[in-house]
Amino acid sequence: DADVTQTPRNRITKTGKRIMLECSQTKGHDRMYWYRQDPGLGLRLIYYSFDVKDINKGEISDGYSVSRQAQAKFSLSLESAIPNQTALYFCATSDLWTGPQHFGDGTRLSIL
Amino acid sequence: GNSVTQMEGPVTLSEEAFLTINCTYTATGYPSLFWYVQYPGEGLQLLLKATKADDKGSNKGFEATYRKETTSFHLEKGSVQVSDSAVYFCAQSLSSGSARQLTFGSGTQLTVLP
Repeated sequence: DADVTQTPRNRITKTGKRIMLECSQTKGHDRMYWYRQDPGLGLRLIYYSFDVKDINKGEISDGYSVSRQAQAKFSLSLESAIPNQTALYFCATSDLWTGPQHFGDGTRLSIL
Repeated sequence: GNSVTQMEGPVTLSEEAFLTINCTYTATGYPSLFWYVQYPGEGLQLLLKATKADDKGSNKGFEATYRKETTSFHLEKGSVQVSDSAVYFCAQSLSSGSARQLTFGSGTQLTVLP
């Protein structure tokens, strides 16, 4: 089984819909992150969390919200999806702020 | 501001060719530097890292040296293989309050032909 699991792997939806992307991890890491990847832009940080009581905005948090339900679970929500949120979304974990991050395989989200 | 600039791709090489992918960073203080690799349909994996000036990170035949004087962390491999075809990301870690975040370059697509 993968250490960092994202569901769903692919999602197509319509403008205005609410969408939730889920991430679970078995690595026992405290720190979890959500990124989006767009062609030519690399990865940009949306939100990150140290534990269930700690949520922090990243570079591009507008239009997104997150929930850290447990140490192992970190979900990303789009309250009202818009087409420019079409992207590849990655969840990651780390045990230290300076340590390597471990990524899931991504969720490809298309908003029509 | 803090940013990472890496060589634009795509890069196409023949098997056993020498690879260099350039990366430069701008950051206050002393960031840690990383190279990540992304194979098709997968997430990013850490390839190598360096945490201070003059450190050399190495893994799977890839190397990169943290050069503070030129603010660079170029990725090199002496002889690439078809299996090295992937997207490569340079990244730096920077502090934000008590946390550190990764800032990524835009990625370089490498294709190695047999």
